[in-house]
Amino acid sequence: AQSVAQPEDQVNVAEGNPLTVKCTYSVSGNPYLFWYVQYPNRGLQFLLKYITGDNLVKGSYGFEAEFNKSQTSFHLKKPSALVSDSALYFCAVRDPFNNQGGKLIFGQGTELSVKP
Amino acid sequence: EAQVTQNPRYLITVTGKKLTVTCSQNMNHEYMSWYRQDPGLGLRQIYYSMNVEVTDKGDVPEGYKVSRKEKRNFPLILESPSPNQTSLYFCASSPRQTQWGSYEQYFGPGTRLTVT
Repeated sequence: AQSVAQPEDQVNVAEGNPLTVKCTYSVSGNPYLFWYVQYPNRGLQFLLKYITGDNLVKGSYGFEAEFNKSQTSFHLKKPSALVSDSALYFCAVRDPFNNQGGKLIFGQGTELSVKP
Repeated sequence: EAQVTQNPRYLITVTGKKLTVTCSQNMNHEYMSWYRQDPGLGLRQIYYSMNVEVTDKGDVPEGYKVSRKEKRNFPLILESPSPNQTSLYFCASSPRQTQWGSYEQYFGPGTRLTVT
């Protein structure tokens, strides 16, 4: 069965330091991978996606993610964290051979806290 | 502005009292889905629709109904709500997905439902 794991419930980073939010997946075949961010009392906002091609994907707000097929990982990164990056981050995967209306399988979420 | 809207944003109700959460998108998307978000579980798909009058169950459909009479609207119906349906609900839409590419899903702002 397809699944996504975010091994850290919370990540704490000092402003200006690099941040990494981890994600691993289990999907048969080549997955489509996504990162979303949720700010308090807001819906999910799309950050970036990996479909094919270059393993390093750049997205919104200075975020990037690296697809690693051998480690089945898709970690989210940012070189220099901002206090405004504090939010709940979700990794998600879509199985291209099981459409279900484009269903996304989500990880449990990682709360990112950036302190001044 | 391209968006997915949901109403109401907050709802407190009692067990057994039928309710409807509306969802509307203005992007002419074919695909629409409902998800529920619970702490530690991420988001899980409840129902989805791939076109007008075409709906199907997602991963957690028990206790819910949907309809898709118009392309833009996809209401979620709880005929007899129970406390275990207390959750944060998100509507999402996307263009038609293919096997060779993947569009991101656009999410509404969420509806926080409490059933007492």
